[in-house]
Amino acid sequence: NAGVMQNPRHLVRRRGQEARLRCSPMKGHSHVYWYRQLPEEGLKFMVYLQKENIIDESGMPKERFSAEFPKEGPSILRIQQVVRGDSAAYFCASSPGQSNEKLFFGSGTQLSVL
Amino acid sequence: GEDVEQSPFLSVREGDSSVINCTYTDSSSTYLYWYKQEPGAGLQLLTYIFSNMDMKQDQRLTVLLNKKDKHLSLRIADTQTGDSAIYFCAHAASGNTGKLIFGQGTTLQVKP
Repeated sequence: NAGVMQNPRHLVRRRGQEARLRCSPMKGHSHVYWYRQLPEEGLKFMVYLQKENIIDESGMPKERFSAEFPKEGPSILRIQQVVRGDSAAYFCASSPGQSNEKLFFGSGTQLSVL
Repeated sequence: GEDVEQSPFLSVREGDSSVINCTYTDSSSTYLYWYKQEPGAGLQLLTYIFSNMDMKQDQRLTVLLNKKDKHLSLRIADTQTGDSAIYFCAHAASGNTGKLIFGQGTTLQVKP
């Protein structure tokens, strides 16, 4: 049973470009969470999704950021018109339901904006 | 408030015990967690404790919770070089929803 898969592991973008980060949850998991880790900081919650629904997006920046978790395929975190401050590690986690103790994290995508 | 505070760095010698401390402000937290992050890897759940407990032991790991002082600690007995990593304390923002509030992490350095 593969764990939470994120790709790419590393993503380099120039300012103004778009970044698309993908997350495939563990098999049997229908709940996905995105977190962002800035250098020297802990993880900050961004968004919580179930299949085709955004449940909680209280941690998402108001502009340029969006997330989806379609019926088929991975969850996507999309950042439009990236700026240098978007450089961070973006982690995805999944769970089979609303269950903190069964929350599993992926290895993250390191986004670097030049 | 949702702040979680940790000391940034701890250095111990191999074989010694390590104690990593964490304080939090949200008294309504029902679950508190310790995660381990190795270089270039995601977070691995080490252990968690329910708020009505004051201690939990799991092999070399002991978690102590002082709910009155909102203080959580992780003790690693017989620390090994493979324990070198960043350790994050976290609590559930509200209920059992997967939305966790993390501290900034404690880097544990184990010297041979």
